[in-house]
Amino acid sequence: AQSVAQPEDQVNVAEGNPLTVKCTYSVSGNPYLFWYVQYPNRGLQFLLKYITGDNLVKGSYGFEAEFNKSQTSFHLKKPSALVSDSALYFCAVRPITGGGNKLTFGTGTQLKVEL
Amino acid sequence: EAQVTQNPRYLITVTGKKLTVTCSQNMNHEYMSWYRQDPGLGLRQIYYSMNVEVTDKGDVPEGYKVSRKEKRNFPLILESPSPNQTSLYFCASSLLGTYGYTFGSGTRLTVV
Repeated sequence: AQSVAQPEDQVNVAEGNPLTVKCTYSVSGNPYLFWYVQYPNRGLQFLLKYITGDNLVKGSYGFEAEFNKSQTSFHLKKPSALVSDSALYFCAVRPITGGGNKLTFGTGTQLKVEL
Repeated sequence: EAQVTQNPRYLITVTGKKLTVTCSQNMNHEYMSWYRQDPGLGLRQIYYSMNVEVTDKGDVPEGYKVSRKEKRNFPLILESPSPNQTSLYFCASSLLGTYGYTFGSGTRLTVV
C-alpha cells in the first residue's frame, strides 16, 4: 500500500526567509510525486511534480522540491517566503507501475508566513 | 477548456435526505475518482472508476455509492447522508497510465 507522511501540521516562517515543508512517502517501486496547494475556500492547485530525471524539480510561484530516493523524501522548498504563500500544502504519491492511477495524499501542512 | 466540473459547489442538507453530487469531465479520461477532505486527515479516496461500468472502493467508501454509465460522468450518491459526511469533496480525472490529474473545484457539503 502507498502512503505519504507530512510530519508537520503547521510551519511558521518569516517573510523573506527560506521555507521547507517536509514529505516522506512509501510506495512499491518507483514513484510519481506531487505537491498541491490549497488557498482558503479554494480548490487544489497543482504546484509541481517529479516524474523522472533531475532530482530537483522546479514548479510554480518559485517553489521547488527535491526528490531523495534513499530517504524516500520529497520536501518542498522556497528560497524566500512571501505572505501570499500562506496556504495548505499537500504532498501526494502514486507508483509508476501498479496501483492503478490512485493518488494518495498526505494529511497536509499549513504554511503561515508572517511579516 | 479542459476541465472537471462539479455541482453543486455548496450544499446544506438534512440527515437522511438522499443527494447526488455530479462530476463531469470533457477530456475523455478513463480514470475518475472521488476524494473527501477533512481537517487533519488530508484527502482520502472514496471511490474510483477505471472506465465505463468499472468502479471500485477506495479507502473510505462507507455511506457512498457511485455509477459510471458514461465516460464523462461520475456522480457521487449519498443515499442517507449523516453528519459525519460533512466534508469537502473533490472529483478528479486522469488518463490511465499517465501522471496528469485534473481536479474539480470542490463541493462543500454540510449535513445537519
